[in-house]
Amino acid sequence: DTEVTQTPKHLVMGMTNKKSLKCEQHMGHRAMYWYKQKAKKPPELMFVYSYEKLSINESVPSRFSPECPNSSLLNLHLHALQPEDSALYLCASSLFAVNTEAFFGQGTRLTVV
Amino acid sequence: AQKVTQAQTEISVVEKEDVTLDCVYETRDTTYYLFWYKQPPSGELVFLIRRNSFDEQNEISGRYSWNFQKSTSSFNFTITASQVVDSAVYFCALSGVTGRRALTFGSGTRLQVQP
Repeated sequence: DTEVTQTPKHLVMGMTNKKSLKCEQHMGHRAMYWYKQKAKKPPELMFVYSYEKLSINESVPSRFSPECPNSSLLNLHLHALQPEDSALYLCASSLFAVNTEAFFGQGTRLTVV
Repeated sequence: AQKVTQAQTEISVVEKEDVTLDCVYETRDTTYYLFWYKQPPSGELVFLIRRNSFDEQNEISGRYSWNFQKSTSSFNFTITASQVVDSAVYFCALSGVTGRRALTFGSGTRLQVQP
């Protein structure tokens, strides 16, 4: 099973709302990732968790707050977002954080109004 | 610094044609890994292949084949007898063993296969 499950699939939120994106994998992977993808662009790395510890933060604004409650779950908490944050948010996991293929979820299409 | 270049922004072919997607990379690492992903309209990136820098053997998987040439820093992807279901954006990606180890993606090539 090479499945990464993301919820919700679509999310519309106002600029004053607080919401969370969720990601789950049961492949025993020890690395999990959040990527942001704008239309017609490649995915951009936001965060990497390795063994449940944050190992990479690509200078992401603090209105995005990641959380890794356990090795199977990854959350992205959203607060006070801007319309330019509207994008496809992709979660991925890989066996380790280096040089192993990552498996992606279907993403959450976020619209900030 | 790492860089992946996919010079073809968009390619349109007719079903059953063969098509090659180009990927050129730059890295200072002597050990590195190359990947291809497919992104259909549904949004999920589907892993297709991973190659390490020490293995220059070409690979074939059904209608898909990959040509890795270190001499030209290229990792090209060919689809033989293309089908409408092959329509997607294809990303080439690179990860190294020093510095930035996370995937560096190319800008992607949108492939349209017309019936």
